[in-house]
Amino acid sequence: QKEVEQNSGPLSVPEGAIASLNCTYSDRGSQSFFWYRQYSGKSPELIMSIYSNGDKEDGRFTAQLNKASQYVSLLIRDSQPSDSATYLCAVSRSGGNQFYFGTGTSLTVIP
Amino acid sequence: EAGVAQSPRYKIIEKRQSVAFWCNPISGHATLYWYQQILGQGPKLLIQFQNNGVVDDSQLPKDRFSAERLKGVDSTLKIQPAKLEDSAVYLCASSRSRVREYFGAGTRLSVL
Repeated sequence: QKEVEQNSGPLSVPEGAIASLNCTYSDRGSQSFFWYRQYSGKSPELIMSIYSNGDKEDGRFTAQLNKASQYVSLLIRDSQPSDSATYLCAVSRSGGNQFYFGTGTSLTVIP
Repeated sequence: EAGVAQSPRYKIIEKRQSVAFWCNPISGHATLYWYQQILGQGPKLLIQFQNNGVVDDSQLPKDRFSAERLKGVDSTLKIQPAKLEDSAVYLCASSRSRVREYFGAGTRLSVL
C-alpha cells in the first residue's frame, strides 16, 4: 500500500467551477498535510498546509482534513486557467520531518 | 531570501557514465532533501540530511547513488554508473523545521 494515494486524473473543469482534488494516506499517525502545485517543467510550490481536522481556507483554496477517514482534499473555487497544473498531496509522518508525496492529480481548467 | 540553488539545470549522459548534481540550500536550513521525480510521478525521497548527518537514505540505490553534505551546508548527489531508468528530475529541497520544505528548480537528467 502506498503512503499517499491520489487520483492521477486528468481532471477537467470549466473556468469558474469548483475543482475538487482528493488524497488518502496510510499512516494513521501522520501529523502534517500539504498541497503543492507543480506547473509543467517547474518545481513544486506549497499552496496549503493543514494540521487539524476540519477546513482551512486561504483565498480561493480550501483544504479539508479528516483524520478518522485518513483523507485530505483540496477545493479550488472559481477555477482559473492559471490553476491548470499538477497538484501533489504530501504527508509528514509523526515523529519526523520526512515528506511522502502522492503521484499528483493533473488539473486542466478550460476557458 | 535566496532560494534553493541547484546546478546544472539539465544534463544529458550516456548509460554507464557518471554524473553529479549540486545543491545549496536556503541559509540556515538544517534539513536538506534529495528527491527523484520520474515523469508523471510524484517526488520520491532519496536521502534526507540533518546538518551533515543522514536521517533517511532507505530509498537511495546505494550501489550506484551516493550523496554527501560535508559541512552541513551544500550537498552533492552522484550517480555512478547511470542507467536508463535514472532519467528523471532530481529535486533538492531544504527546510528549517518540520513545517514545510522549499524546492530548488531541479536538474533534469536524460540518460541515453
